[in-house]
Amino acid sequence: DAKTTQPPSMDCAEGRAANLPCNHSTISGNEYVYWYRQIHSQGPQYIIHGLKNNETNEMASLIITEDRKSSTLILPHATLRDTAVYYCIVRASNDYKLSFGAGTTVTVRA
Amino acid sequence: EAGVTQFPSHSVIEKGQTVTLRCDPISGHDNLYWYRRVMGKEIKFLLHFVKESKQDESGMPNNRFLAERTGGTYSTLKVQPAELEDSGVYFCASSQERGLRRTEAFFGQGTRLTVV
Repeated sequence: DAKTTQPPSMDCAEGRAANLPCNHSTISGNEYVYWYRQIHSQGPQYIIHGLKNNETNEMASLIITEDRKSSTLILPHATLRDTAVYYCIVRASNDYKLSFGAGTTVTVRA
Repeated sequence: EAGVTQFPSHSVIEKGQTVTLRCDPISGHDNLYWYRRVMGKEIKFLLHFVKESKQDESGMPNNRFLAERTGGTYSTLKVQPAELEDSGVYFCASSQERGLRRTEAFFGQGTRLTVV
């Protein structure tokens, strides 16, 4: 019952912006888009979330299309430590569970 | 501020034995969650506590798994008896409510369980 679709993998050059796409064409009006990542041997780490407006924090920016059917996570200046599996998750405002899919394995190369 | 802490970090047990995993959430976080990733699969939700009450245990695989959170502080997840397919990484997470706004979930480093 995957609600999101992400590419399985992508490479990025160190110091460049990494743009991670996510499709969520069946998203409902009360569902938020969350991004988490899991660096090898660590627990998942929250990155950012949004409903319909673009969001930015110290880690990343989240761009959500106007129809909310897709979004892009932007890591502005990727470093080697950003190598991880990135998960795009759709979650309703009254739901506590996170449904992790397969995610995108991002490899940042020097 | 201490993060979510899980003990042990690794556990190797024989099939049929009992193992108890422990999670200490971030202080003040009423919500506590257990997730797990078994070999080759995605991270799956197991259950959710609000303080000491089980809010949702729909992800618990079977009755060999028992989670408790006495006093609404730390939580334990017991597997009895353990089977080979229980091998994987067990994650705990916690979050708090701020009025109508729920904060993001903070995850621990996980416990890697190997059943041999």
